[in-house]
Amino acid sequence: AQSVTQLDSQVPVFEEAPVELRCNYSSSVSVYLFWYVQYPNQGLQLLLKYLSGSTLVKGINGFEAEFNKSQTSFHLRKPSVHISDTAEYFCAVIENGNTGKLIFGQGTTLQVKP
Amino acid sequence: DTAVSQTPKYLVTQMGNDKSIKCEQNLGHDTMYWYKQDSKKFLKIMFSYNNKELIINETVPNRFSPKSPDKAHLNLHINSLELGDSAVYFCASSQSQRNTIYFGEGSWLTVV
Repeated sequence: AQSVTQLDSQVPVFEEAPVELRCNYSSSVSVYLFWYVQYPNQGLQLLLKYLSGSTLVKGINGFEAEFNKSQTSFHLRKPSVHISDTAEYFCAVIENGNTGKLIFGQGTTLQVKP
Repeated sequence: DTAVSQTPKYLVTQMGNDKSIKCEQNLGHDTMYWYKQDSKKFLKIMFSYNNKELIINETVPNRFSPKSPDKAHLNLHINSLELGDSAVYFCASSQSQRNTIYFGEGSWLTVV
């Protein structure tokens, strides 16, 4: 069965510093990968996705992620964070051919400090 | 225009009551979902409908009943609410079951 592990539950970082939020998945078939962001008391917003093609995908708000098939990882990065990036970040996967069932990781709280 | 909209956003109700959460999407998608986010922020799928047909029905108590009157709407009715039903319920939609899933703003349900 597929699963998603976000290796850090909380990531504190100072403003303008780079950040990486780690995500690993397990699946026996090919997958589609997603990162969603949830700001406090708000819904889930799609940051970026990997469906096929280039393994480096760029998303909104300056975020990017790299799909690494051999390491089954899809880490999220941003070279310089802002206070406004403080939020909960979720990695998610759909198995190729599956019926639209998103499997989510546990979430990572990004805390950007001034 | 909100792509996936759900109402109400906040709902506080007593145990034993019956409540509904409504969801509408204006994206022209053919697949809609309900996800539940628990107090630890863990997200899990509850139901999915494709062209008004139930596709996914996870292990959810019978007190939860989704209804899809048409492709653009998927409502969630909950009978005999329990304290443990307190959560955030997200409606979502996608075009077919293999494409990007877009979420609504969530409905915060508190059972007291």
